[in-house]
Amino acid sequence: KQEVTQIPAALSVPEGENLVLNCSFTDSAIYNLQWFRQDPGKGLTSLLLIQSSQREQTSGRLNASLDKSSGRSTLYIAASQPGDSATYLCAVNTGFQKLVFGTGTRLLVSP
Amino acid sequence: DAMVIQNPRYQVTQFGKPVTLSCSQTLNHNVMYWYQQKSSQAPKLLFHYYDKDFNNEADTPDNFQSRRPNTSFCFLDIRSPGLGDAAMYLCATSTDRGSDQPQHFGDGTRLSIL
Repeated sequence: KQEVTQIPAALSVPEGENLVLNCSFTDSAIYNLQWFRQDPGKGLTSLLLIQSSQREQTSGRLNASLDKSSGRSTLYIAASQPGDSATYLCAVNTGFQKLVFGTGTRLLVSP
Repeated sequence: DAMVIQNPRYQVTQFGKPVTLSCSQTLNHNVMYWYQQKSSQAPKLLFHYYDKDFNNEADTPDNFQSRRPNTSFCFLDIRSPGLGDAAMYLCATSTDRGSDQPQHFGDGTRLSIL
């Protein structure tokens, strides 16, 4: 059974700092991995999707990497801003769009 | 412009009283999903529709049902809500089930049980 773990559970940083969020999964047989952002009381916003054959994806200040063989992904946020404060979730696609989610990292960026 | 719309945003119902949550989409996507997310937990897939084909997850309680009358709408019916069903319910869509398609989520409906 696929299990997804995110470390740390919470992170607090000052504005401008670069940071890395970690995601690990137990079964390397995945089709893709997605990173989402969730604001309090809201749904999920897709940030990046990495196919199983890819190593990384970039969007603006965000860079996500995938090492499928070791079961790890990282989300790198450059020059963090207070508006980046949210919970970040990773999810692995185990086939037919079945997503298994981690419990997320709650990020707080202080001015 | 909201593309996956969930109504209502907040729903309060009584223990055992049937409740229906609604999801609509303007993306014309083939696949629609329902997730349950309890406080501080990961979203958990309940079921999904690929077009009219219903796919139930093995551990989804029988208390939860779904209807998809057309491409745009999907409903989640909880026949006899218990206190443990209080959660955020998220609807999502995707173009199809291909691995290159991201899922698009609505803002969710937060369900409270009295």
